[in-house]
Amino acid sequence: EPEVTQTPSHQVTQMGQEVILRCVPISNHLYFYWYRQILGQKVEFLVSFYNNEISEKSEIFDDQFSVERPDGSNFTLKIRSTKLEDSAMYFCASRRDSQGTQYFGPGTRLLVL
Amino acid sequence: RKEVEQDPGPFNVPEGATVAFNCTYSNSASQSFFWYRQDCRKEPKLLMSVYSSGNEDGRFTAQLNRASQYISLLIRDSKLSDSATYLCVAGRDDKIIFGKGTRLHILP
Repeated sequence: EPEVTQTPSHQVTQMGQEVILRCVPISNHLYFYWYRQILGQKVEFLVSFYNNEISEKSEIFDDQFSVERPDGSNFTLKIRSTKLEDSAMYFCASRRDSQGTQYFGPGTRLLVL
Repeated sequence: RKEVEQDPGPFNVPEGATVAFNCTYSNSASQSFFWYRQDCRKEPKLLMSVYSSGNEDGRFTAQLNRASQYISLLIRDSKLSDSATYLCVAGRDDKIIFGKGTRLHILP
């Protein structure tokens, strides 16, 4: 069964450093998403991406965040200058069409020191 | 008011019992509704979509009441493997909002 993959599974970084989280969505999917989940809290929507542009973003997704689909398979989330409060699990998700089910990747656990 | 609000947990329930989860959503423009389950330190996985007519999948039954902005999930004959956090989700356009989840422990 096809699945969403994410790398790395864990990342530790120093405050102020840039991080890039990578995702490979399911191959025939057209809609892509990033979510985060701070430990013990709810899953929070960050951004949705379709047709090579952001379609929706939350208030969390400020100028420190950016997304890119650099080639036909990868979908990345960049955090330009990490803060302590960026420590969380980051989930990528994809779906085939606007009505389809979102499938989540296993997540990247980011720890900012 | 939180966008998606769920019963506080945890629920500790003996194996074989029936469990009910409730959820309310604040945005009347929400168009799509789901229940996800999340195991500890894992990604959310879709359990079922929720339709206005109500839907059933084996031991699981989901209901939606648009007038009350209320969603429910019923698990019958609960199994040990049902232990997880159950997330209520409401979506509009290309954005889905998760509730904080209700943790369920099935006791042997």
